[in-house]
Amino acid sequence: DAKTTQPPSMDCAEGRAANLPCNHSTISGNEYVYWYRQIHSQGPQYIIHGLKNNETNEMASLIITEDRKSSTLILPHATLRDTAVYYCIAAGGTSYGKLTFGQGTILTVHP
Amino acid sequence: KAGVTQTPRYLIKTRGQQVTLSCSPISGHRSVSWYQQTPGQGLQFLFEYFSETQRNKGNFPGRFSGRQFSNSRSEMNVSTLELGDSALYLCASSAGQDNNEQFFGPGTRLTVL
Repeated sequence: DAKTTQPPSMDCAEGRAANLPCNHSTISGNEYVYWYRQIHSQGPQYIIHGLKNNETNEMASLIITEDRKSSTLILPHATLRDTAVYYCIAAGGTSYGKLTFGQGTILTVHP
Repeated sequence: KAGVTQTPRYLIKTRGQQVTLSCSPISGHRSVSWYQQTPGQGLQFLFEYFSETQRNKGNFPGRFSGRQFSNSRSEMNVSTLELGDSALYLCASSAGQDNNEQFFGPGTRLTVL
């Protein structure tokens, strides 16, 4: 699986958009970009994933650059409950259930 | 639909003992993955089972083993426990053969004394 790079920490004001970047310059053509988050002491939670088109669901939006070397997870209106560690993961059809978690980005949402 | 359940939630063992952890996936999910989370190493993949077959394995010693039953429930076993095995053990289930949209359980917190 391709290696991903994320900033170690970010801050965001409550109600504002949180934009979390991720670099995955060695991503292969059949690998998707997945985002998970982990709130303290809980299991990770799936957020969204995409291949090359932008994606949106009820939780977030995912913007993938045209060359697929980087992406941005957008939480449109961050709340205090969005404070968590966010993981960007590249994984493909041959990952067979293996998600390679890096150190992630600690997002802190302030009142 | 019930989520992924893990039992027990907390466990205390002593060095040299063995332990078995259990994971019940979401109904209909056939893939179960196991992870170990420690403050120093973060989240690390242990192994994955699909339809009772281990398809993938991480870089852990042979003391760590697992299995999956015909109802997709899975167990992992750690023999000859070491202090460094103290960790949060997480299992996750997913629906398809190549689906990396995984649903995680709350984990089992293992403490080895």
